[in-house]
Amino acid sequence: GAVVSQHPSRVICKSGTSVKIECRSLDFQATTMFWYRQFPKQSLMLMATSNEGSKATYEQGVEKDKFLINHASLTLSTLTVTSAHPEDSSFYICSASRGTTEAFFGQGTRLTVV
Amino acid sequence: AQSVAQPEDQVNVAEGNPLTVKCTYSVSGNPYLFWYVQYPNRGLQFLLKYITGDNLVKGSYGFEAEFNKSQTSFHLKKPSALVSDSALYFCAVRDQAGTALIFGKGTTLSVSS
Repeated sequence: GAVVSQHPSRVICKSGTSVKIECRSLDFQATTMFWYRQFPKQSLMLMATSNEGSKATYEQGVEKDKFLINHASLTLSTLTVTSAHPEDSSFYICSASRGTTEAFFGQGTRLTVV
Repeated sequence: AQSVAQPEDQVNVAEGNPLTVKCTYSVSGNPYLFWYVQYPNRGLQFLLKYITGDNLVKGSYGFEAEFNKSQTSFHLKKPSALVSDSALYFCAVRDQAGTALIFGKGTTLSVSS
């Protein structure tokens, strides 16, 4: 099956700094990548959809200047949390699609802002 | 707009007993339905999906789900629960290939020995 690698799995950063999370499709080309956020014991909320080479589409209520998404190649998308604050602490999960019915998920990143 | 409802926050079942985790959906057009399982601080593990064809779908770890179009349901089932099945289960839907999955709120399954 297709593999999606997300890195880092866990990160702690100071308030006001920026953190970059990488999502890579290891054995297929991902035409579209999705970023989700999950609060403890809650569902996955779609943050944005990104297609390779174009600007990401953000869901309502998601600050595009705070959560910068770059999808520079068919195998890599990055999410940068800028000027992080404690309320940004969460579990972030990426998903990659190759245009079929399947959806492949990364392992997730636990972000803690102190 | 698509939506998924998982009416139970928690399901408790004794080991060896059958389990059911409920899911209903709303989507325009034909649904693509999925079940995932999540263990603490881990990503999602795919269990099974319904795209088309037989309404009864068999998946990983002995799980199965039945697509019921008239009731817009896609309940997850297993004939005999294991303690190791204890986890958070998500039902998800999309209305066409390549789009984002929309998730239900999740159901915590607790299997007691």
